[in-house]
Amino acid sequence: DIQMTQSPSTLSASVGDRVSITCRASQSLSRWLAWYQQKPGEAPSLLIAQASKLESGVPSRFSGSGSGTEFTLTISSLQPDDFATYYCQQYDSYPWTFGQGTKVQI
Amino acid sequence: QVRLQESGPGLVKPSETLSLTCSVSGGFINDFYWSWIRQPPGKGLEYIGYLYYSGSANSNPSLSTNYNPSLESRVTMSVDASQSKIYLKLTSVTAADTAVYYCAGGSLVARLWGQGAQVIVTS
Repeated sequence: DIQMTQSPSTLSASVGDRVSITCRASQSLSRWLAWYQQKPGEAPSLLIAQASKLESGVPSRFSGSGSGTEFTLTISSLQPDDFATYYCQQYDSYPWTFGQGTKVQI
Repeated sequence: QVRLQESGPGLVKPSETLSLTCSVSGGFINDFYWSWIRQPPGKGLEYIGYLYYSGSANSNPSLSTNYNPSLESRVTMSVDASQSKIYLKLTSVTAADTAVYYCAGGSLVARLWGQGAQVIVTS
């Protein structure tokens, strides 16, 4: 299985901050990587697919970059609605695997 | 707008079989990857498997499945296309199978999610 490692596990930030979350894969994924946001008590929501393609309706302050084994999710200016847990997921090979999550908190 | 709704017993006894249904409304289930993903309390997401169904009135339906090797011996996913329902069965459950179980769908990545079904394994 491809192991996905996110860092940091927890990120403390303030409204307006620029924040970045890193996801590293144990082997190359090309660009088959997705990012999800999950708020407490809710299902995850897809933010980005293919490493950098923003889903329809997702604010442009979210962006994704990277390829191969290292990927980054960036929020350019953190908003109150962005405090949540973020997961990366590889879909390059089965079984699809998720990172352990990064909690963005105040 | 396509909506997913999981349903099933919230409590399952150890060693018994967990059975969940994902009802898809507002769209067809053809040519989509339908996944089951679970989340133990306070933990991250775990992929259980996917089902891909392709069929029409003029062609024989085809079905493919892929399961997480860690669960493969206990998991079965199936579909009733006429009712737009996708099923999950997980046999010989233990407390480690306690989780919120999500049904998700998309062209490959999970673009659509149900609200989740909480399942507790307890005697």
